[in-house]
Amino acid sequence: EPEVTQTPSHQVTQMGQEVILRCVPISNHLYFYWYRQILGQKVEFLVSFYNNEISEKSEIFDDQFSVERPDGSNFTLKIRSTKLEDSAMYFCASSERSGESNQPQHFGDGTRLSIL
Amino acid sequence: GDSVTQMEGPVTLSEEAFLTINCTYTATGYPSLFWYVQYPGEGLQLLLKATKADDKGSNKGFEATYRKETTSFHLEKGSVQVSDSAVYFCALSGTGGGNKLTFGTGTQLKVEL
Repeated sequence: EPEVTQTPSHQVTQMGQEVILRCVPISNHLYFYWYRQILGQKVEFLVSFYNNEISEKSEIFDDQFSVERPDGSNFTLKIRSTKLEDSAMYFCASSERSGESNQPQHFGDGTRLSIL
Repeated sequence: GDSVTQMEGPVTLSEEAFLTINCTYTATGYPSLFWYVQYPGEGLQLLLKATKADDKGSNKGFEATYRKETTSFHLEKGSVQVSDSAVYFCALSGTGGGNKLTFGTGTQLKVEL
């Protein structure tokens, strides 16, 4: 069964450094998402992306965050200047059709980001 | 805004016991409802879904019915196994535009022999 893949599985970065988290969504999917889960807290929506632009973003997704689909397969999340509170598990997800609420989102295994 | 409330965990059951994990939601409009499961060290996997009132989602012996009148989507299984030990997340999508998921806090289930 096709799956969403994320790399790396664990990223350790010094505070203030830039970090790029990478995702390869399922190949025929059109809608892409990033979520995060701070340890012990709920999974929170960050951003959704469709047709090469952001379709929705949360309050968490401030100017320090950006997303990009640099080629036909990768979908990246960049944090420009990391803070301690950015430490979390980051999940990428994709869904097959655009904007339909009943389309299930398929998740990757996540990248654990640790900011020192 | 939209929100999902799940029962607190952890829930510890003996194998073959009956499982209920409560989930209620607050949303405008008519959301779609989902249960996701996260096994240790893995990502979120879709367990089941329901897209309109009175729909019943089912998968791997788990069931949940979309109850609009009580705004609930409780997860049930008649006989749990040790392999069902995981964290279960209730989620909704589809109100206010977009397709983002709003998650509950997750309920950890531990099944013992």
